[in-house]
Amino acid sequence: SSELTQDPAVSVALGQTVRITCQGDSLRSYYASWYQQKPGQAPVLVIYGKNNRPSGIPDRFSGSSSGNTASLTITGAQAEDEADYYCNSRDSSGNHLEVVFGGGTKLTVL
Amino acid sequence: QVTLKESGPALVKPTQTLTLTCTFSGFSLSTSGMRASWIRQPPGKALEWLARIDWDDDKFYSTSLKTRLTISKDTSKNQVVLTMTNMDPVDTATYYCARSQWEPHYFDYWGQGTLVTVSS
Repeated sequence: SSELTQDPAVSVALGQTVRITCQGDSLRSYYASWYQQKPGQAPVLVIYGKNNRPSGIPDRFSGSSSGNTASLTITGAQAEDEADYYCNSRDSSGNHLEVVFGGGTKLTVL
Repeated sequence: QVTLKESGPALVKPTQTLTLTCTFSGFSLSTSGMRASWIRQPPGKALEWLARIDWDDDKFYSTSLKTRLTISKDTSKNQVVLTMTNMDPVDTATYYCARSQWEPHYFDYWGQGTLVTVSS
């Protein structure tokens, strides 16, 4: 099956911009979606498709993709953005109907 | 308002079969494009997709676990059921159900999750 690789940890100063990346062959074929997960809570979808935000997600969250890399950018990070972030995609091996998640990135807001 | 809630045993013994139920509201799994997945997360670890059932009753499983998993739905009860056989301590995790529409990996609604511990 395909794999998605994320940096385990990233930090950003309050109010600054941070980019969290996700790499994998499946991203050449499919857009990633991104999830924010705070301790003890279920994941929340923050970005899907080319660069779409569900209702209620602040516009400081944006997504982009190039080649085998998808990125989640937080412009003007807030203290409440400190969380784990996961990317996912369809699995481009096999029947393309399975789903694969990245290993997650722990974001610290300093 | 879309909600999903997982239910099942908090503790199972090794080799036992786990049965989890996801009860949802606010949508119908008979509507074209609707999909429901099970995803798990061992303590302190990453998310792992397990299985999905679609509006047309198509079913898909993680390649690594497919021999142990069965997913089904009861549209009249708005429920999705996952069974996992031959449970092992490494299967200890929080199990989530989540909804997607059309694109199978855009999970727009999640349940709160249920922690399942596998221990004798």
